[in-house]
Amino acid sequence: SAVISQKPSRDICQRGTSLTIQCQVDSQVTMMFWYRQQPGQSLTLIATANQGSEATYESGFVIDKFPISRPNLTFSTLTVSNMSPEDSSIYLCSVEDSEGEGGNTIYFGEGSWLTVV
Amino acid sequence: AQKVTQAQTEISVVEKEDVTLDCVYETRDTTYYLFWYKQPPSGELVFLIRRNSFDEQNEISGRYSWNFQKSTSSFNFTITASQVVDSAVYFCALSPMDSNYQLIWGAGTKLIIKP
Repeated sequence: SAVISQKPSRDICQRGTSLTIQCQVDSQVTMMFWYRQQPGQSLTLIATANQGSEATYESGFVIDKFPISRPNLTFSTLTVSNMSPEDSSIYLCSVEDSEGEGGNTIYFGEGSWLTVV
Repeated sequence: AQKVTQAQTEISVVEKEDVTLDCVYETRDTTYYLFWYKQPPSGELVFLIRRNSFDEQNEISGRYSWNFQKSTSSFNFTITASQVVDSAVYFCALSPMDSNYQLIWGAGTKLIIKP
């Protein structure tokens, strides 16, 4: 399975600022995904990022708030713009990769814990 | 509508006890995948298992076992002889087989293993 690294792992951010989270994969993958997990909640898909095309956002998420880059097949960034305390969450990068027994599954990075004060 | 229900919000057991985490799903798809992920306090999501809808065989991996029953739309997860390191939030998820990145997540079950 792919090994996924995220930076930063944790950060405390000031209200109104923006922060960019980086996601690096150790192999080339077609599809990368960004999720948000608010405190005590399950995961919510923000967007799907494919290399060479604009990210596809899920309902409730917009590009102005969560711009995404996907410059190559091993890297993506998610920016959380103009942050407010409601943006305090774990942000997780994930990729679709082979499980090893045929077919693909979704693997996750370690997550980036953002606290907005 | 697709939905995954993990009715147990939190379970607390003493080390070495067996524990079962329940997962019930709803889907109109005839082919689909079911998943379990573990999220320890450090926050990363660890993939545990994927099961496709064609395969109702139970799966065992060490102390972990999974019971998939289409008749009751359930995909339960049992940890045998639990250990403190098993303490985590466990998520069950469902996806269509033709787009297995479209995961529908359960709310998660927080498992606390006391020494």
